[in-house]
Amino acid sequence: GAVVSQHPSWVICKSGTSVKIECRSLDFQATTMFWYRQFPKQSLMLMATSNEGSKATYEQGVEKDKFLINHASLTLSTLTVTSAHPEDSSFYICSARDPSGGETDTQYFGPGTRLTVL
Amino acid sequence: GQNIDQPTEMTATEGAIVQINCTYQTSGFNGLFWYQQHAGEAPTFLSYNVLDGLEEKGRFSSFLSRSKGYSYLLLKELQMKDSASYLCAAMDSNYQLIWGAGTKLIIKP
Repeated sequence: GAVVSQHPSWVICKSGTSVKIECRSLDFQATTMFWYRQFPKQSLMLMATSNEGSKATYEQGVEKDKFLINHASLTLSTLTVTSAHPEDSSFYICSARDPSGGETDTQYFGPGTRLTVL
Repeated sequence: GQNIDQPTEMTATEGAIVQINCTYQTSGFNGLFWYQQHAGEAPTFLSYNVLDGLEEKGRFSSFLSRSKGYSYLLLKELQMKDSASYLCAAMDSNYQLIWGAGTKLIIKP
């Protein structure tokens, strides 16, 4: 159980274009989803916390107008990188909290999306 | 401030045992997680500890001492496929995960 999918797995785009990444919880309803970014050989960096039906909470230094997050349903959150630039090239990973875990409150991760901006 | 410390890299031999340590300082505490991350892939959940003591799950065990702000992940009967980064993460009072930088484990035949 607790499977999270992410689409696409990888994407290459031109500078200035926008890219949308989808994150789905397949076998549970996730009231909270998280978006992370990971640069090569570095740790995960939390970008934002997404709660279903409300605005996302962004971490300090993350531009909310550049990284648009929508959590329209209990199983889907999307991250849109607007006007992408080469420095946005990174590995983007979503995770979803399974509320049925009780005290465990474990986050389960999607497989990640590798974004390359030319 | 909040901080997680774990070794950057460790090397072990196939079939042996290795212990990866993690110390943490967080504002409040709601549990300690270990994740495994193979190169180029997303992390996968290994274990969760919120009470002191050892949790055993097959070849992997995780230990927690809340009074010492310390945890370790123990891997037994190491296999080549265990070569990966192991991420320690502590959950603070706001239920946010504070991540360590990860320990790269290299397994040699």
